Amino acid sequence: AQSVTQLGSHVSVSEGALVLLRCNYSSSVPPYLFWYVQYPNQGLQLLLKYTTGATLVKGINGFEAEFKKSETSFHLTKPSAHMSDAAEYFCAVSPYTGTASKLTFGTGTRLQVTL
Amino acid sequence: NAGVMQNPRHLVRRRGQEARLRCSPMKGHSHVYWYRQLPEEGLKFMVYLQKENIIDESGMPKERFSAEFPKEGPSILRIQQVVRGDSAAYFCASSPPFGEAFFGQGTRLTVV
Repeated sequence: AQSVTQLGSHVSVSEGALVLLRCNYSSSVPPYLFWYVQYPNQGLQLLLKYTTGATLVKGINGFEAEFKKSETSFHLTKPSAHMSDAAEYFCAVSPYTGTASKLTFGTGTRLQVTL
Repeated sequence: NAGVMQNPRHLVRRRGQEARLRCSPMKGHSHVYWYRQLPEEGLKFMVYLQKENIIDESGMPKERFSAEFPKEGPSILRIQQVVRGDSAAYFCASSPPFGEAFFGQGTRLTVV
């Protein structure tokens, strides 16, 4: 069984500040981990994913995430927030790499970026 | 190459009516997945289909819900005798075998 916990349903940062969105997972098999972004009334867009190999994963729009097995975490970061980053972010886990089969999503974190 | 196309984008149904949601996968994608997003919740897996086959429907409610992906045409998620609790956003994703999945923009179903 797999589960995902996203700490903080709402996060607010100032433009230019560090973005940190937390994700912890539980998985009985080696997990494949994903971060998706959802803009209002849009579908989900893949930001980045971890399958195997390097634990620091770089994604689109300047985001990156680090897989820490000992902490069962996959936190999403961006050094400097931009107004266009305001959206909802979902962490997800799957036992299968590369596919959307049986992704288990967290409840999401809504990121607000203020001037 | 067009993305995953879902229609309609918004659907309003009265209680007891049927809802049909369509998903056209990206060209070359033979795998389709349906997810449901209830208000203030994350997406929940419903069903995984390949052409003419249901691979995994472990997330589908036992009654009133069905899905198909025929040899020709879009995948259809059908909800019979809708109830208010069915109001949600329904997302479809498609992928090639063992490839990256892409999500559609979703269909927002409102049951009145």
